[in-house]
Amino acid sequence: ETGVTQTPRHLVMGMTNKKSLKCEQHLGHNAMYWYKQSAKKPLELMFVYSLEERVENNSVPSRFSPECPNSSHLFLHLHTLQPEDSALYLCASSQDAAGEIWTDTQYFGPGTRLTVL
Amino acid sequence: GQNIDQPTEMTATEGAIVQINCTYQTSGFNGLFWYQQHAGEAPTFLSYNVLDGLEEKGRFSSFLSRSKGYSYLLLKELQMKDSASYLCAALDSNYQLIWGAGTKLIIKP
Repeated sequence: ETGVTQTPRHLVMGMTNKKSLKCEQHLGHNAMYWYKQSAKKPLELMFVYSLEERVENNSVPSRFSPECPNSSHLFLHLHTLQPEDSALYLCASSQDAAGEIWTDTQYFGPGTRLTVL
Repeated sequence: GQNIDQPTEMTATEGAIVQINCTYQTSGFNGLFWYQQHAGEAPTFLSYNVLDGLEEKGRFSSFLSRSKGYSYLLLKELQMKDSASYLCAALDSNYQLIWGAGTKLIIKP
């Protein structure tokens, strides 16, 4: 138990569906991240929020839309996805106590296994 | 381009020692992380090195050579529960975290 929870753990959706992934951290951290993990590939950083402001958006297709309503919650809204978007989506958080979020240890949630049909 | 290289898979015997290597090519360098990820679970932090040398934490040690762009994770007295993927990630000069694809470690009795 790392203090970061994600729901749902598994999701199967069609290409025309709209769904949302939820992440919640109970660690009092100020920074939150979305990653995509595909088999045998490096983790791909998608979005980063620090103090609820987006600080990183790594050329992610617009069919992925993040939302960070407060420092404890992070959402990833999905619409009109493609089969190649099937992957494990990981949420992480870090302290960001000194404004240098990148050197802080990241604590990961268990991930949502997404399958797009 | 920026790149992290680590072996795809390694096999070792319970009770033995294994060294997982990682080489990195990044634009600048601000440290290197090792994470452990069991199948179907979240990655968990193992170590962070920013200075050259060896850092030991129980059965796990991590080594860094900045001049060689090289790190390794050393696991001693291997246990079956050490079967997992080990992810290497380097911070570049822009504090962008560059991840390796991970090394799957298989422990045999």
